[in-house]
Amino acid sequence: DAKTTQPPSMDCAEGRAANLPCNHSTISGNEYVYWYRQIHSQGPQYIIHGLKNNETNEMASLIITEDRKSSTLILPHATLRDTAVYYCIVRVDGGDYKLSFGAGTTVTVRA
Amino acid sequence: NAGVTQTPKFQVLKTGQSMTLQCAQDMNHEYMSWYRQDPGMGLRLIHYSVGAGITDQGEVPNGYNVSRSTTEDFPLRLLSAAPSQTSVYFCASFPTAGWGGNQPQHFGDGTRLSIL
Repeated sequence: DAKTTQPPSMDCAEGRAANLPCNHSTISGNEYVYWYRQIHSQGPQYIIHGLKNNETNEMASLIITEDRKSSTLILPHATLRDTAVYYCIVRVDGGDYKLSFGAGTTVTVRA
Repeated sequence: NAGVTQTPKFQVLKTGQSMTLQCAQDMNHEYMSWYRQDPGMGLRLIHYSVGAGITDQGEVPNGYNVSRSTTEDFPLRLLSAAPSQTSVYFCASFPTAGWGGNQPQHFGDGTRLSIL
């Protein structure tokens, strides 16, 4: 599975959009981009995923560049409850279905 | 829906003791797995199962046993606990049928295990 690179931390003001970048320059054509988050002491929570098109759901939007080498997770109106570690993961269908969680980005939403 | 349920939430063991961490899901998911997360680290896959009667090792299987006799349950056994196994353990599940990148994994809230 392709490796991802994320900034270690970022701050965001409450009510503003939070834009979380992820680089995955070695991604292959059949690998999906997934985003999970982990709020302190809880299990990882699925946010969104995509292959090559931009995606939006009730939690967030995912913007994938045309060459698929990077993506951005957008939390449109961050709240204090969005403070968490956010993980960008790329993986292909099949195999051991393992999700490789790296260090992620620690997002702190400030009032 | 209960989703993925893990018990117990907290446990303290002495070195050499044995115990079983329970994981149950009510979504009829074929795939279930166990991860461990050490402080400040990402999750590492211990064991996984793609269906009842089928299990396989992940990246850190030593010291752990699993079995999958039913679709719903996937217990993780520590036969002789060691301090290095102090960690938070997460169970996950998803339906492999139609995986095609469109089935996210669901996680339990974890079991916090301390071994003295």
